[in-house]
Amino acid sequence: AQSVTQLDSQVPVFEEAPVELRCNYSSSVSVYLFWYVQYPNQGLQLLLKYLSGSTLVESINGFEAEFNKSQTSFHLRKPSVHISDTAEYFCAVSEHNFNKFYFGSGTKLNVKP
Amino acid sequence: EAQVTQNPRYLITVTGKKLTVTCSQNMNHEYMSWYRQDPGLGLRQIYYSMNVEVTDKGDVPEGYKVSRKEKRNFPLILESPSPNQTSLYFCASSLYPASGSYEQYFGPGTRLTVT
Repeated sequence: AQSVTQLDSQVPVFEEAPVELRCNYSSSVSVYLFWYVQYPNQGLQLLLKYLSGSTLVESINGFEAEFNKSQTSFHLRKPSVHISDTAEYFCAVSEHNFNKFYFGSGTKLNVKP
Repeated sequence: EAQVTQNPRYLITVTGKKLTVTCSQNMNHEYMSWYRQDPGLGLRQIYYSMNVEVTDKGDVPEGYKVSRKEKRNFPLILESPSPNQTSLYFCASSLYPASGSYEQYFGPGTRLTVT
């Protein structure tokens, strides 16, 4: 079974500053990687995903994540955050059979004015 | 509108009283799944279903049952709820993975309290 580690439970940052949310997973087998975002009192929404190909993937709202196979990491970055980015972010992993999903414990991003 | 619906949204019950949380999706998705969300633990998968009449255990299936008699519905059943099942529950659905889509669509959540 996979385990997904998000070391930072909370990340406070000022508006327009850069941010990195870290995610590491346990297994070296082929995996699919995802970042989901959860706004207060809502369900999760897919932010971006890595399935294959380019190791750098981007979302429509300026986030990007890089798949690093040797370090089994999939860190999420944004060069300049907005107040509206305040939410909880979850990293998730699925092995290539796709049957099961494994989520990290989440990172609460708090963007301050 | 494409969506996953869950009912009820909030439920307070007592230990041992059987309950069912319904989940329905209108996107003709093959894959459906139940998760529970607990502070500091993230989401943990309870059960999933690859299609009608095909279900399997996730990481934390103890104390739960599911069924998939119709493609659109995937109810979660707690035969004898206990306080440690107090949690926020999410249902999700997606197309079958062979389609190339791996995006799960999540319902709004059901907050369950067992006293």
